[in-house]
Amino acid sequence: NAGVTQTPKFQVLKTGQSMTLQCAQDMNHEYMSWYRQDPGMGLRLIHYSVGAGITDQGEVPNGYNVSRSTTEDFPLRLLSAAPSQTSVYFCASSSQGTLRNTEAFFGQGTRLTVV
Amino acid sequence: TQLLEQSPQFLSIQEGENLTVYCNSSSVFSSLQWYRQEPGEGPVLLVTVVTGGEVKKLKRLTFQFGDARKDSSLHITAAQPGDTGLYLCAGARGTSYGKLTFGQGTILTVHP
Repeated sequence: NAGVTQTPKFQVLKTGQSMTLQCAQDMNHEYMSWYRQDPGMGLRLIHYSVGAGITDQGEVPNGYNVSRSTTEDFPLRLLSAAPSQTSVYFCASSSQGTLRNTEAFFGQGTRLTVV
Repeated sequence: TQLLEQSPQFLSIQEGENLTVYCNSSSVFSSLQWYRQEPGEGPVLLVTVVTGGEVKKLKRLTFQFGDARKDSSLHITAAQPGDTGLYLCAGARGTSYGKLTFGQGTILTVHP
């Protein structure tokens, strides 16, 4: 049971570099999201998708791009890394169900440091 | 702007004590979820509350959704060291669980 798989687990970037954080899910979920987690701030939504070909911005989208060409994959691209993007990034997926029986499944996270 | 205010941020207690974590908002949510997160892992769902005034129990954990669906609480009875972790509340609007609003989290440490 793979669930939600994120790669890499750790990454160090220099300011100005670009990179893509990978996220894949094998549960055929419609919804996929990217969050960043910073100390004392919980998780904040960066971008989300309600299905292949459909994406929308979350609370903190600046500096990040996403695309959803397949149901399974939802990569997050950092265009020009900045120290303020140092964080732990989580990808999540969920299905469209009833309020009571829907949960978000999270990957193990990518710890990104920008120097 | 944090739409969900979670308190306290840190809680350090002795084994056997009781505790309550609060999650408050000025906005109405369709449902409120509580997650637990271990170091190096992603959050894992504990419970979902949907109806105003709803109370759900999970062994020693009791979750309550406020009557107006703007706030929630998590109460742990007789805490154990295994309860140590980060507890997060998250609100959803409609059935879109792809777009959760999280509280800041509560770091709970239970000392033996």
